[in-house]
Amino acid sequence: QVHLQESGPGLVKPSQTLSLNCTVSGDSISSTSYYWSWIRQPAGRGLEWIGRIYPTGTTNYNPSLKNRVTMSVDTSKNQLSLKLSSVTAADTAVYFCVRTATGSWGQGTQVTVSS
Amino acid sequence: DIQMTQSPSSLSASVGDRITITCQASQDINYRLNWYQQKVGKAPRRLIADASTLETGVSSRFSGSESETEFTLTISSLQPEDIGTYYCQQFDSLPVTFGGGTKVEI
Repeated sequence: QVHLQESGPGLVKPSQTLSLNCTVSGDSISSTSYYWSWIRQPAGRGLEWIGRIYPTGTTNYNPSLKNRVTMSVDTSKNQLSLKLSSVTAADTAVYFCVRTATGSWGQGTQVTVSS
Repeated sequence: DIQMTQSPSSLSASVGDRITITCQASQDINYRLNWYQQKVGKAPRRLIADASTLETGVSSRFSGSESETEFTLTISSLQPEDIGTYYCQQFDSLPVTFGGGTKVEI
């Protein structure tokens, strides 16, 4: 059974870059034909799709964040990464990585943007 | 972007009640809709895929149906463990979008 675990700094200063990793176990990112997505959820609010990445590196980003988002895959580490630049308080949220086709989610990691 | 209008935003019902949650898509999404349940402090759990396919291990009291651009999640007999927030998600067009959520209380 696949397991996804997000990790990264819990606190990021405004204007800096948020960087998160998602380590996948129980499945090989490179051997499957799944998209892997990032989704976030501000406290007490709904879900926002950030974007997705295919194992080949093909990406699709939410236009609302497109200029600030970069996703990548490290198949040697079986890991996904998310970078979000120029963060503001509005980027404070729990960030989830998701194996899209099977609806498998990580537990999420809280990121707070504050000086 | 496809807008997913979910209703109601909250509901309170009794154990054993039949409840329905609706999502209205702003355009045809070809039944590409998932339903999720989220409990406080947890990641969402997919209950239903492709509008009406029950995920393995999910109770059969959950069901999904569709009528053109309107999608419905039904809980046939509400149980205490069903409390949480429910979301619909369309994945027919990018960006993927979610309904605003329905908080279910007992």
